[in-house]
Amino acid sequence: DIVMTQSPDSLAVSLGERATINCRSSQSVLHTSNKNNYLAWYQHKQGQPPKLLIYWASDRYSGVPDRFSGSGSGTDFTLTISSLQAEDVAVYYCQQHYSAPWTFGQGTKVEIK
Amino acid sequence: QVQLQESGPGLVKPSEPLSLTCIVSGASVNSYYWSWIRRPPGKGLEWIGYVYYNGNTNYNPSLESRVTMSVDTSKNQFSLTLTSVTAADTAVYFCARGSIAVAGQLQSWGPGTQVIVSS
Repeated sequence: DIVMTQSPDSLAVSLGERATINCRSSQSVLHTSNKNNYLAWYQHKQGQPPKLLIYWASDRYSGVPDRFSGSGSGTDFTLTISSLQAEDVAVYYCQQHYSAPWTFGQGTKVEIK
Repeated sequence: QVQLQESGPGLVKPSEPLSLTCIVSGASVNSYYWSWIRRPPGKGLEWIGYVYYNGNTNYNPSLESRVTMSVDTSKNQFSLTLTSVTAADTAVYFCARGSIAVAGQLQSWGPGTQVIVSS
C-alpha cells in the first residue's frame, strides 16, 4: 500500500495569513503515460461530509475558492490556503488514487490562532 | 446537483453482517464510480472500495474477504455489505461518487452514517 504522510498534524494560523500543509507519498503517484499526479485534497468540516478541493494535485474543483491551491509532483505535495478565513477551519486530507487501495493521509487540523 | 444519502442500521451485533445503502438523487447511477469510505473513531479516512455502474468492483484488500458492493439501477442506489463485523468496524460510513472517468476523484459525498458494532 502507498502510505500518505501529512505534516503538520495541526496548525493554527491567524485570519488572513497563509496556511501550508504538506503531503508525502511512500512512492510516486505520477502516472508517466498521462503526466497526471493521482493526488487529491479534501476538506472535512465537523458534522459535514468531506469536500473535494483539488484533483490532479493542482486543479481546483468546481466552486472551490481560489485561495486554495495545490502543488507538487511525484511524492511531495502541498496544499496552500493563501488567506485563511474563519470558514476554512477543518481537517484536510490528501489522498492517492494511483493504485489500490486508495489511501489517505492522517489529516491536518487547521485552526484559527 | 447530485445528492447522496446513506441509510442503514446504526447498531450491529458482532459477527453479524452490516448492510448500508446509498440513495442517489440528481444523477443516474448508470455511469460514474461509486465508493464507500469510513472513518473509525479517532482515526482518519479508510477507503473500503468502489463499484462501477456495470457491476465491476475494486475492494480494499484488507477488507476484501468480507465486502460486497452492488448497484441497483432500478432504484438508483448502491449498497455495501460487510460480513462478520467486529468492534473494529465501528465507524462513520460515507458513500461517495467518483468522476465519470476517474474513480478516485471523490467529487460528492453523503453526510455519513454512524455504525456501532456492539452486543
